Amino acid sequence: QKEVEQNSGPLSVPEGAIASLNCTYSDRGSQSFFWYRQYSGKSPELIMFIYSNGDKEDGRFTAQLNKASQYVSLLIRDSQPSDSATYLCAVNFRAGNQFYFGTGTSLTVIP
Amino acid sequence: EAQVTQNPRYLITVTGKKLTVTCSQNMNHEYMSWYRQDPGLGLRQIYYSMNVEVTDKGDVPEGYKVSRKEKRNFPLILESPSPNQTSLYFCASSLGMADTQYFGPGTRLTVL
Repeated sequence: QKEVEQNSGPLSVPEGAIASLNCTYSDRGSQSFFWYRQYSGKSPELIMFIYSNGDKEDGRFTAQLNKASQYVSLLIRDSQPSDSATYLCAVNFRAGNQFYFGTGTSLTVIP
Repeated sequence: EAQVTQNPRYLITVTGKKLTVTCSQNMNHEYMSWYRQDPGLGLRQIYYSMNVEVTDKGDVPEGYKVSRKEKRNFPLILESPSPNQTSLYFCASSLGMADTQYFGPGTRLTVL
């Protein structure tokens, strides 16, 4: 059973704080990991991708990958009200050519 | 502008009336896929295509058909829609299987 799991939330943080989003996956051999942001009624848009263990930073966003523990996380520093959205974790499993998405974590940044 | 387009954006139809949702990308991507999104279930892959004439089932293919006759187009066909296919549908494309997927704007389908 291929699974990608996220805490559905909702997660609320005050403006300027760090938001931490977590995702676990079932296939130890997974190769590609993605974080998407989705505003209500809109299509998902890429925030970050990560392929290797460790941290990857892009502006206020940091993705962290730990393949041994099978989790990937997203940190959002200096959270802004415009960051309020649902964050989707996606994994490309090694066995097959499919993408699996978590059900998403709803984030609200309170001004 | 690099983009994935879908049509129609909104569709209300009745049970059993065949319909096609079109998807087109202008990025010369090889990998294309269709997803449906339902509350509490997230995005689930319906079908995907690795290249022209190469398609395969995703997690929820029942009741759907696809074709990939040209690299840029990947239509989704519902031969006999049923109410349980009421959903928000997204088409996506990527350069390769493990690359970032770019999503179309979505098609909201209601089957009565």
